Order: sequence, then C-alpha cells, then structure tokens
Amino acid sequence: DADVTQTPRNRITKTGKRIMLECSQTKGHDRMYWYRQDPGLGLQLIYYSFDVKDINKGEISDGYSVSRQAQAKFSLSLESAIPNQTALYFCATSQAEGGYTFGSGTRLTVV
Amino acid sequence: AQSVTQPDIHITVSEGASLELRCNYSYGATPYLFWYVQSPGQGLQLLLKYFSGDTLVQGIKGFEAEFKRSQSSFNLRKPSVHWSDAAEYFCAVSVLGGYQKVTFGTGTKLQVIP
Repeated sequence: DADVTQTPRNRITKTGKRIMLECSQTKGHDRMYWYRQDPGLGLQLIYYSFDVKDINKGEISDGYSVSRQAQAKFSLSLESAIPNQTALYFCATSQAEGGYTFGSGTRLTVV
Repeated sequence: AQSVTQPDIHITVSEGASLELRCNYSYGATPYLFWYVQSPGQGLQLLLKYFSGDTLVQGIKGFEAEFKRSQSSFNLRKPSVHWSDAAEYFCAVSVLGGYQKVTFGTGTKLQVIP
C-alpha cells in the first residue's frame, strides 16, 4: 500500500456540487498538506495541518475547506465547485524538517 | 518573501548525455532546498534535499545537486541520463521555524531522446 493514499484518483463533477477529496497516510507524520497543481504554475498550498487540532489556511484557501479527522486522515472539500477549480490536487505529509511525501493525486474536473 | 525560479520550462537531452537543471532562489538566509521529480500521472517524489553542511548533495536515481550561496542556486545534475528520467522536475525552498512553508518552482519538463 502507498504511504499516502488519495481517493478518488479522478472525478468529474458539475458546477455547484459539493465534493470531498480524501487523503490517508501510513507514514506516522503529524503534518499534512493539500496542494493544487495547475500547468505552468507549480504547486499552490490550499491548507495545512500540524496536528489534529491545528488547521491553517494556505495561499489559495477561498472556496475550499478541510477536516483533519485523525492523525492519518485529512480531507479537502469544495463546498460549491466551480470550473476554475479544475486541477490536479495533491495531499502531502512531512515531519518537521523533512521533505514531503506526496500522494498520487486526484484529477478533478468541474463542468 | 521567498521565491524559486526555474528558468527552463522544457529541456531535451539525448540518452547518455549529461544533464543540469537550473534553480535559483530568493531568500535572505540559508534556506532548506529540495528537488522533486514527477512522472506522468504520479505525485512528486523527493530526489534530494539540502539542509546544511556539504554543499554537494547526493540523491536517489543517480542525481546530485550543488548549493552555491554566492549564486543563490541549487542546480540538479546527472552525469548520464536514462530514458526513464523523462519527467517534470521541481525545485523547492523551505523556511524553518514554525510552519515549514515550502515554495515550489514552476517546474522543468525533461524530454530524453534516443
């Protein structure tokens, strides 16, 4: 099993629908992150969490929300999806001074 | 604010040739530096990282990178490229203390030709 698992891998949804992307990890890391990747823009941070009771906004949090259900689980929600949220979404984990371990990503298309 | 620049959007090299991918960062102090690789349809995988000490860092898959403070650079190198190295490469910089804010470059896509 992968260290960081994201579900679903692909999703097509309609404008205005609520959608949740899920992430679970077996690394035992305290820190978890959600990033969005768009071609030519690199990765942009949406939200991050240092532990279950700590949630922080990243650079582009508008239109998104998160929930840290347990140390190993961190989900991202789009309350009302819009087409410009079409992107590749990555979950990542880290220790305090380490590099990231990424999931394989969720390709989201909003039509 | 910290920033990372990868000046080459796309690079093509022949299999067996040497490779150097450029990365420049902007930050007042010594940052933590990373290189990641992303194969199509996959997440990013950490190749190597620099925190302190020896400025030449060895990573996985035969890659190395050299930190040059005077040039604010952290270029990635490989002496002989294999076809399986075709992927997109991201440089990243981190600031320690409190939140480990990581800023990613926009990536360099590597094409390997036979």
